[in-house]
Amino acid sequence: KQEVTQIPAALSVPEGENLVLNCSFTDSAIYNLQWFRQDPGKGLTSLLLIQSSQREQTSGRLNASLDKSSGRSTLYIAASQPGDSATYLCAVTGQAGTALIFGKGTTLSVSS
Amino acid sequence: DGGITQSPKYLFRKEGQNVTLSCEQNLNHDAMYWYRQDPGQGLRLIYYSQIVNDFQKGDIAEGYSVSREKKESFPLTVTSAQKNPTAFYLCASSIFADYEQYFGPGTRLTVT
Repeated sequence: KQEVTQIPAALSVPEGENLVLNCSFTDSAIYNLQWFRQDPGKGLTSLLLIQSSQREQTSGRLNASLDKSSGRSTLYIAASQPGDSATYLCAVTGQAGTALIFGKGTTLSVSS
Repeated sequence: DGGITQSPKYLFRKEGQNVTLSCEQNLNHDAMYWYRQDPGQGLRLIYYSQIVNDFQKGDIAEGYSVSREKKESFPLTVTSAQKNPTAFYLCASSIFADYEQYFGPGTRLTVT
């Protein structure tokens, strides 16, 4: 059964720092991987989607990489800002027609 | 504006009562999903539907029921058989199964 793990569970950094969030999954047979952001009490906002054939995706200050063979993905946030403070969730889709399997998230706090 | 709406935002019920959570999307997406989020446990899949009049159980379907009579609507009923119904419920949709998922704002259900 696919399991998704995110490390660390929480992270505090000063404004301006570059940071990396980690996601690992146990079964490399994924269809795609998606990174989300969740603010307290809110729904999820999709940040980046990486198809299984891709190695990385970029959006603004965010860059997500995927290494299927090792079962890992990283989300790189450049020049962090207080507005980046949120919980970041990683999720994978396994076989075609199945839904997302989520990690428990990394809660990021960026101080000014 | 296109998007996913969930209503109500907060819902309170007495134990033993059934309650239905609404999820509507105007994105013309074929696939829709229901997830449950509990503190420290991440999101878990309850039910999903790839097309109208068809749906599949997720990991934690016991005590829940759904219907998909229209493409844009996927209501979730929390029955009295659900032992721990208090949680944050999130609805999502994607153009097809396995594609990028978009989430609604969520409904927080409290049962006392």
